[in-house]
Amino acid sequence: DGGITQSPKYLFRKEGQNVTLSCEQNLNHDAMYWYRQDPGQGLRLIYYSQIVNDFQKGDIAEGYSVSREKKESFPLTVTSAQKNPTAFYLCASSIGAGGRNTEAFFGQGTRLTVV
Amino acid sequence: RKEVEQDPGPFNVPEGATVAFNCTYSNSASQSFFWYRQDCRKEPKLLMSVYSSGNEDGRFTAQLNRASQYISLLIRDSKLSDSATYLCVVNKAGNQFYFGTGTSLTVIP
Repeated sequence: DGGITQSPKYLFRKEGQNVTLSCEQNLNHDAMYWYRQDPGQGLRLIYYSQIVNDFQKGDIAEGYSVSREKKESFPLTVTSAQKNPTAFYLCASSIGAGGRNTEAFFGQGTRLTVV
Repeated sequence: RKEVEQDPGPFNVPEGATVAFNCTYSNSASQSFFWYRQDCRKEPKLLMSVYSSGNEDGRFTAQLNRASQYISLLIRDSKLSDSATYLCVVNKAGNQFYFGTGTSLTVIP
């Protein structure tokens, strides 16, 4: 089955720790995205990548880092510099630039809690 | 100004009712438009793409008005299973997606 997989589903982090959220897709999509969703709020873009070895900051990139060494993988690291990391993190992918009506497909999300 | 604006609701409607959601977008260069559905504590899932000519999928009808930069979703004969948050999504050149905050719908027996 083709799809996009995030792990873990739930993650607990102590203050001051870095944690890495995994996102893997086997849809052969060029573009991948990381969003953050807080209760009662919409999705906010953290980082996105249009192609391997390239990525761009979104609206709320501070305190986060990403890499795109392989087409199918786009891990997100939440660093200790992120002051309020507790949130629902969603990874998405789409075919890529230039394709009209190319919708985004989402993973099941990772719920991160700082303890 | 936000890229995409939606009325957050909540909309509480009885079963069988017709309900309409509206959404406006700010960037006239936007290319693609979608409605997503998000259930509580789950990921968003595509409900339907929105075309300039309007499109229908069963009880759901989506409309796009490029001149007014306005998107709508109409749900007829509401079912209990339609209860969810509906997200308006706009895609710009460069393939960035912009999400509205969502409109909450509860269908009441």
